[in-house]
Amino acid sequence: DGGITQSPKYLFRKEGQNVTLSCEQNLNHDAMYWYRQDPGQGLRLIYYSQIVNDFQKGDIAEGYSVSREKKESFPLTVTSAQKNPTAFYLCASSTRAGLALNTEAFFGQGTRLTVV
Amino acid sequence: AQSVTQLDSQVPVFEEAPVELRCNYSSSVSVYLFWYVQYPNQGLQLLLKYLSGSTLVKGINGFEAEFNKSQTSFHLRKPSVHISDTAEYFCAVIRVNTGNQFYFGTGTSLTVIP
Repeated sequence: DGGITQSPKYLFRKEGQNVTLSCEQNLNHDAMYWYRQDPGQGLRLIYYSQIVNDFQKGDIAEGYSVSREKKESFPLTVTSAQKNPTAFYLCASSTRAGLALNTEAFFGQGTRLTVV
Repeated sequence: AQSVTQLDSQVPVFEEAPVELRCNYSSSVSVYLFWYVQYPNQGLQLLLKYLSGSTLVKGINGFEAEFNKSQTSFHLRKPSVHISDTAEYFCAVIRVNTGNQFYFGTGTSLTVIP
């Protein structure tokens, strides 16, 4: 089955440590996205990538980094510079957003990161 | 710039009653519009989308939405809700032909009361 997979589902890290969240898709989508979700704030865009080897900052990129070396993979690293990293993180993918008539975002099941 | 406003953060409704979740957007260019549903600790699932054509769009689970260009709205409706509809609902937009990003509203928490 085609889909988008995030791992792990739950992640615990000590304060000051970097941590990498995995996102893999087999939908052959060009575009991939990382969102952060906090209660009452909806989804806030961290980074997005429209094509391999290219990515852009979203609204809250500070303290995060990404790479897009392969079309199917878009890992997110939460660095020690992120002041409040505890949140629910969602990865999504789509066809070149806005360019295809059947565009829509497909979401993974999310990773809940807790920093202690 | 785009923005999406979901006017109600929480909507309680009795089982089998109708419901409307409101969504307004602002954009200087044409947009595509979406409604997603999220159950606790899960990702988002597409309910329906408006890309072109008829302004009344039907989606899964008996939901429908109407695109109103003059009022820049895309309200979600269901004539009779079930307990299983209790979830968070998100409205989203994307600009047409720009290869850009999806913009999401802050969400509406729908609680169906037995």
